[in-house]
Amino acid sequence: DSGVTQTPKHLITATGQRVTLRCSPRSGDLSVYWYQQSLDQGLQFLIQYYNGEERAKGNILERFSAQQFPDLHSELNLSSLELGDSALYFCASSVSDQSSYEQYFGPGTRLTVT
Amino acid sequence: AQSVTQLGSHVSVSEGALVLLRCNYSSSVPPYLFWYVQYPNQGLQLLLKYTSAATLVKGINGFEAEFKKSETSFHLTKPSAHMSDAAEYFCAVSVSGGTSYGKLTFGQGTILTVHP
Repeated sequence: DSGVTQTPKHLITATGQRVTLRCSPRSGDLSVYWYQQSLDQGLQFLIQYYNGEERAKGNILERFSAQQFPDLHSELNLSSLELGDSALYFCASSVSDQSSYEQYFGPGTRLTVT
Repeated sequence: AQSVTQLGSHVSVSEGALVLLRCNYSSSVPPYLFWYVQYPNQGLQLLLKYTSAATLVKGINGFEAEFKKSETSFHLTKPSAHMSDAAEYFCAVSVSGGTSYGKLTFGQGTILTVHP
């Protein structure tokens, strides 16, 4: 158990819908990262927050948005869902926003868009 | 921009045999390198990391990796495979400076199969 929690574990929804994925970082970690894992794209970095502020952005679609709240939990919002958005979404946390610090991954949310 | 190439999407070994999973990186600045393992239906677990303190890095579960700058490699090894090592392994790179912060760039993964 990494100490990072993600809810829900599974999510099945229809095209065009909007969903929210939630992540709680390890106690004491200030940085939260979101990654998408799919068969065709592999593991892709989406976005990073540090202590409530956006730090880095990766291949995140405009239909996707995220935020980190004062209690440090984070939410990833996916809207106007398409079939291609079906993937595993991982949240990771780290004590720092610097590159040398390891990231601890949650168990993931499996999103299926039908 | 940094990148990672894992040579071999599937590696199969016998129990007790040497495990060698290959990773080559590309980076214009000194990298930080990581190996993660993913068991079925689980998240990623950190095996080990290289942050320039020592070129030979020891990790959990008997794994180790050696950073070779001249070869831009960071191969993962384990002297004797165990059935419980069967999983998918990911090599990842991050760099400091610029706007990268802690972003990890992953390789495509290598699925390790261990035969009895």
